[in-house]
Amino acid sequence: QQQVKQSPQSLIVQKGGISIINCAYENTAFDYFPWYQQFPGKGPALLIAIRPDVSEKKEGRFTISFNKSAKQFSLHIMDSQPGDSATYFCAASMSADSWGKLQFGAGTQVVVTP
Amino acid sequence: DVKVTQSSRYLVKRTGEKVFLECVQDMDHENMFWYRQDPGLGLRLIYFSYDVKMKEKGDIPEGYSVSREKKERFSLILESASTNQTSMYLCASSFPPKNIQYFGAGTRLSVL
Repeated sequence: QQQVKQSPQSLIVQKGGISIINCAYENTAFDYFPWYQQFPGKGPALLIAIRPDVSEKKEGRFTISFNKSAKQFSLHIMDSQPGDSATYFCAASMSADSWGKLQFGAGTQVVVTP
Repeated sequence: DVKVTQSSRYLVKRTGEKVFLECVQDMDHENMFWYRQDPGLGLRLIYFSYDVKMKEKGDIPEGYSVSREKKERFSLILESASTNQTSMYLCASSFPPKNIQYFGAGTRLSVL
């Protein structure tokens, strides 16, 4: 049973548009929420991450919004570019886990059209 | 730059064969992980290791085993491959306390 639920499974957005991917979790012990980006033929790579002490984190065109009470977090890609076309995975882990094991969502394939 | 290298990009094996997937990292990371990636299921943890000869089961260890004889190398073993083990296999490594996971490019295994 997936501990982190991710939606949508795929989305198509025009260049310049906003891509939004949502994730939800149940385990309140989770306190670290990274997003990984995977291009075809490559392994996932850390994109951006957030901890529950802040409600938003922004790095360039990528923003994570975090709602602790709803146990939800989302990735917003502003001004989407064709180079952002990739699969995005949300994940969660607990700082109490010294090995940093991650629970991944199912992934969202994002296609940005020119 | 951290480099995690998986020995094969593509493998085709027959049902019942013993299969070895190899992973090497060059950053002296303590933790190493094996995942399988399937459409609609994301990445699921098979096994991980936090030190040489130390291993722990992940969420889906059935049908798999692992070996870590040297710190830089982590092997995934399919003792008797089955068709339901056809998948993309990803290796990752990390080090505390940040525990950012660095992934290899993956091995696509087909079991016929």
